[in-house]
Amino acid sequence: DSGVTQTPKHLITATGQRVTLRCSPRSGDLSVYWYQQSLDQGLQFLIQYYNGEERAKGNILERFSAQQFPDLHSELNLSSLELGDSALYFCASSPTEGREETQYFGPGTRLLVL
Amino acid sequence: GEDVEQSLFLSVREGDSSVINCTYTDSSSTYLYWYKQEPGAGLQLLTYIFSNMDMKQDQRLTVLLNKKDKHLSLRIADTQTGDSAIYFCAEGRRSQGNLIFGKGTKLSVKP
Repeated sequence: DSGVTQTPKHLITATGQRVTLRCSPRSGDLSVYWYQQSLDQGLQFLIQYYNGEERAKGNILERFSAQQFPDLHSELNLSSLELGDSALYFCASSPTEGREETQYFGPGTRLLVL
Repeated sequence: GEDVEQSLFLSVREGDSSVINCTYTDSSSTYLYWYKQEPGAGLQLLTYIFSNMDMKQDQRLTVLLNKKDKHLSLRIADTQTGDSAIYFCAEGRRSQGNLIFGKGTKLSVKP
């Protein structure tokens, strides 16, 4: 157990809908990262938050957004969902801003868009 | 091309050694990681090596780093059926916080 928790474990929804994925980092970790794992693209970095502020952006679509709350948990919001958004979404955390730090991953949320 | 490259499949017999290879492109990478993903599960950190090291051993796992060739390998001694999983190589760069992952190597262990 990495100490990173994610809910829900599975999510099934329809195209055009909006969902929210939740992540709680390891105790004491200030950075949260979101990654998307799909069959064709592999593991892609989406976005990083550090202590409540957006720190870095990767291949995140404009339909997606995230935030980190004062208690350091993070939510990833996916809207206007398309079939191609079906993937496994991972959250990871690290102690500080992330450079040269090990990241610990949660169990992931499996999203299926029908 | 890919920033981090791995072969997609490896099949070994139980009890043999497995060697999973990875090449990366950024010479400024400071840490290199191996993660394991079992079917339907998340990413488990297996081990990592700092870029100023050549080798790291941790029980059945041996990581070798050739910084000149930007080549990383993971050797699993006495491979067991429970080692069947996808193994991801990832690099951590000094310039950014996120990790850059390879596509993963699927290890199949035959009894």
